[in-house]
Amino acid sequence: DAGVIQSPRHEVTEMGQEVTLRCKPISGHDYLFWYRQTMMRGLELLIYFNNNVPIDDSGMPEDRFSAKMPNASFSTLKIQPSEPRDSAVYFCASSLAPGRAFFGQGTRLTVV
Amino acid sequence: AQRVTQPEKLLSVFKGAPVELKCNYSYSGSPELFWYVQYSRQRLQLLLRHISRESIKGFTADLNKGETSFHLKKPFAQEEDSAMYYCAPYFSANAGGTSYGKLTFGQGTILTVHP
Repeated sequence: DAGVIQSPRHEVTEMGQEVTLRCKPISGHDYLFWYRQTMMRGLELLIYFNNNVPIDDSGMPEDRFSAKMPNASFSTLKIQPSEPRDSAVYFCASSLAPGRAFFGQGTRLTVV
Repeated sequence: AQRVTQPEKLLSVFKGAPVELKCNYSYSGSPELFWYVQYSRQRLQLLLRHISRESIKGFTADLNKGETSFHLKKPFAQEEDSAMYYCAPYFSANAGGTSYGKLTFGQGTILTVHP
C-alpha cells in the first residue's frame, strides 16, 4: 500500500482563485482527517469524516473552505476564493484504529 | 473544552543530555494520548501511545492524570532525534448518539539536538 496519497504536493495560486486539494486514504480506513499546519498555530484539525460522512467541521476557518468525501477512496478540500493567509501545509490522514493515523506527505499551498 | 498545550515551541539540547518535551491537556474524560513525530522531509508518523506503555527509540511517556500531563522523555538525546514532536490526545466525541474519535494535536515542539 502506498499509504495516504495527496495531490498536488505544491500549489501556488493567485489570491481569489479556487484551490482544490485531493486525498486518497488507505484502503479500509474509515476515518479521514484534514489538517492545516502553520508555524504560528501548529497542526489544526479542520474537518474529519467517518465512513464518508462529515462528523465535525468546527475547525473549518470560514465558509470559503469546504470538504467532501464522495466515496471511501477520495476526498477533496476546496478553498474558494483563496487568500494569502490560507498559505500553509495541508495534511490528509486516515485511520482505522483510534488515534493511530497515517498521514500523507502534505500539500504546500502558497497564495500570492 | 478539549485542549492540548505544548508550552515549548523550541527545545535545544546537546547530544547525550536528557530531554523532556512537555504536554498538558484539558478534558473532562479520559483521552487516549499519543506522540507523533515529523522528521525532516518525512511524513508525520506515530511515535508512541500511552496505553501500550512502550519505549520507542528510547522515548517514553507517562500519563499523569492528576496533572493532566503526558510528557515525552528520553534519558540520552541523539542527533537523529532532531524533529518536530506533536502531542496528540484522542478524544471521544458524540454526534447523533454515536461515539466518534477526534484526533487533535498540540502546537508542536521543534527539538534540536546539537553534536
